[in-house]
Amino acid sequence: DAGVIQSPRHEVTEMGQEVTLRCKLISGHNSLFWYRQTMMRGLELLIYFNNNVPIDDSGMPEDRFSAKMPNASFSTLKIQPSEPRDSAVYFCASRRGQDNEKLFFGSGTQLSVL
Amino acid sequence: QKEVEQNSGPLSVPEGAIASLNCTYSDRVSQSFFWYRQYSGKSPELIMSIYSNGDKEDGRFTAQLNKASQYVSLLIRDSQPSDSATYLCAVDTSGSARQLTFGSGTQLTVLP
Repeated sequence: DAGVIQSPRHEVTEMGQEVTLRCKLISGHNSLFWYRQTMMRGLELLIYFNNNVPIDDSGMPEDRFSAKMPNASFSTLKIQPSEPRDSAVYFCASRRGQDNEKLFFGSGTQLSVL
Repeated sequence: QKEVEQNSGPLSVPEGAIASLNCTYSDRVSQSFFWYRQYSGKSPELIMSIYSNGDKEDGRFTAQLNKASQYVSLLIRDSQPSDSATYLCAVDTSGSARQLTFGSGTQLTVLP
């Protein structure tokens, strides 16, 4: 099993540019989570999908952030326009089922907005 | 007040000692509790889960849960330098296991 795959590993962009982060779930997993990690705020849940449907997006900071799950195995997180305060590590995690199941994290995307 | 609180550390212990990591949470309906380990520059990985009051042991790791005190801890016996990492406490704060809230983590250093 290849695990949760995220791309790119690193992204450096300029303020105002659009950024798209990608995530491929583990086969058979049906729940998908996007987290953001910073030194100041720790690991924050941005949005959670179950069976391709967004269940809770209350953690999405503002309208500049959007996430989609066009099929059962793939998700994108888009920031448009990006700002320096969006600089963080963005993790995607997946799991099988909804209850008490282990979360598998991808290796993360280190985003730097200059 | 944050929903899940951890001492940020850093916590340093000598090799072979017991490392004790603590976590408190605010949501009384929480039912599921997890400890994740995160090495520098890596992603979090689950090392322990606990759902009932008391102790749960897995090798050198013991998780302890006290729901009345809203307290969960992780003990690492015979600490090794390879245990040096940040340990994240995660609690389901929605009343179901669908969403986890993470603490800010405790950085542990095991000195050889």
